Amino acid sequence: EVQLVESGGGLVQPGGSLRLSCAASGFTFSSYEMNWVRQAPGQGLEWVSYISTGGSTIYYADSVKGRFTISRDNAKNSLYLQMNSLRAEDTAVYYCAGRVDYWGQGTLVTVSS
Amino acid sequence: DIVMTQTPLSSPVTLGQPASISCRSSQSLVHSDGNTYLSWLQQRPGQPPRLLIYKISNRFSGVPDRFSGSGAGTDFTLKISRVEAEDVGVYYCMQATQFPLTFGGGTKVEIK
Repeated sequence: EVQLVESGGGLVQPGGSLRLSCAASGFTFSSYEMNWVRQAPGQGLEWVSYISTGGSTIYYADSVKGRFTISRDNAKNSLYLQMNSLRAEDTAVYYCAGRVDYWGQGTLVTVSS
Repeated sequence: DIVMTQTPLSSPVTLGQPASISCRSSQSLVHSDGNTYLSWLQQRPGQPPRLLIYKISNRFSGVPDRFSGSGAGTDFTLKISRVEAEDVGVYYCMQATQFPLTFGGGTKVEIK
């Protein structure tokens, strides 16, 4: 069974940092391009970042460029998102997705003082 | 950025009746490799998104055949042949032809 399990979300003050993790199982993680997608409360889906299978190609949404860093460890079947200089508008459920085929349950990030 | 526009915003449907959702992109979604990376996702209440259709018309694993996708270029459609209670939720079109990946605003399917 395919599973993607995000962790690392929580409440953080504006300007703070969080590191999200996504543990993958049930499919060949190293063969899948991965994405982070977020959903603000009551809103639609917003793509955040992409990483290629080997990690050599990375893209970011303009809204997070320079603040967020995506990475992966294929030996650990894990995807990461380092989020710095967090803002209130980053408040959302963050999903990791294998391409767009497989999705985790999401982890909630709340940026508030 | 490619803008994805969905209509309608909401679709009240009688059980067993068909439903149709349209999605229009601000530019052609045909990739230089010849594929069109237009997908449809379903998000049931309180659940993460789930892939239904990829590359316009291909049903993902486990997706019932009452779901079908069609279209080309900039105009795409998702059809549910006979709506069931479990189909309630928000449906999103999404393009992966070009970064940034972009989503439509969503269409809420509800039962009348």
